[in-house]
Amino acid sequence: RKEVEQDPGPFNVPEGATVAFNCTYSNSASQSFFWYRQDCRKEPKLLMSVYSSGNEDGRFTAQLNRASQYISLLIRDSKLSDSATYLCVGKTDSWGKLQFGAGTQVVVTP
Amino acid sequence: ETGVTQTPRHLVMGMTNKKSLKCEQHLGHNAMYWYKQSAKKPLELMFVYSLEERVENNSVPSRFSPECPNSSHLFLHLHTLQPEDSALYLCASSQDLGSYEQYFGPGTRLTVT
Repeated sequence: RKEVEQDPGPFNVPEGATVAFNCTYSNSASQSFFWYRQDCRKEPKLLMSVYSSGNEDGRFTAQLNRASQYISLLIRDSKLSDSATYLCVGKTDSWGKLQFGAGTQVVVTP
Repeated sequence: ETGVTQTPRHLVMGMTNKKSLKCEQHLGHNAMYWYKQSAKKPLELMFVYSLEERVENNSVPSRFSPECPNSSHLFLHLHTLQPEDSALYLCASSQDLGSYEQYFGPGTRLTVT
């Protein structure tokens, strides 16, 4: 079983709509979680951290549910530039090893 | 030049060739990483270096050989690769080994024929 699992999508979203998707993790010892974004044919970049209390950054909201072992990302008022693959990332070891999911593809259409 | 750079950006090699991938970071970071990214699969961590010392080797076949001559440079030497080794090879760096934010280079798209 993969440590971090994501729905590969694609999630086709009309411009201006809201889209939300989850990621599940199997290692209950995972300490920290993050969302990275990877544009087509580009490198991954950190989007935001995920906290149990929720974390909002502009149109993006991330949430962690430790009881059910999932992380969510919600994008409001979707823009064409939000089209990308969103990678869910967990961090267990103190030295910084990141466990990446395979990514969820989001396609925002005009 | 800033950030993390990788060369070459594209590489086609035969199974008997020897080639090297180069990564350079201009961020003053202390940790560097090699990842393999195959289509529809999660990034696979291959090697980790902290202050030029190898911290982890994730059961990577010996046909991949890393080298870290200093904290700014990282190489991946390739020898006798297999077609299934075709993938995007990403280099990343972070401030320290415990930092969660890793900065990735643009990657080398490797095709083994």
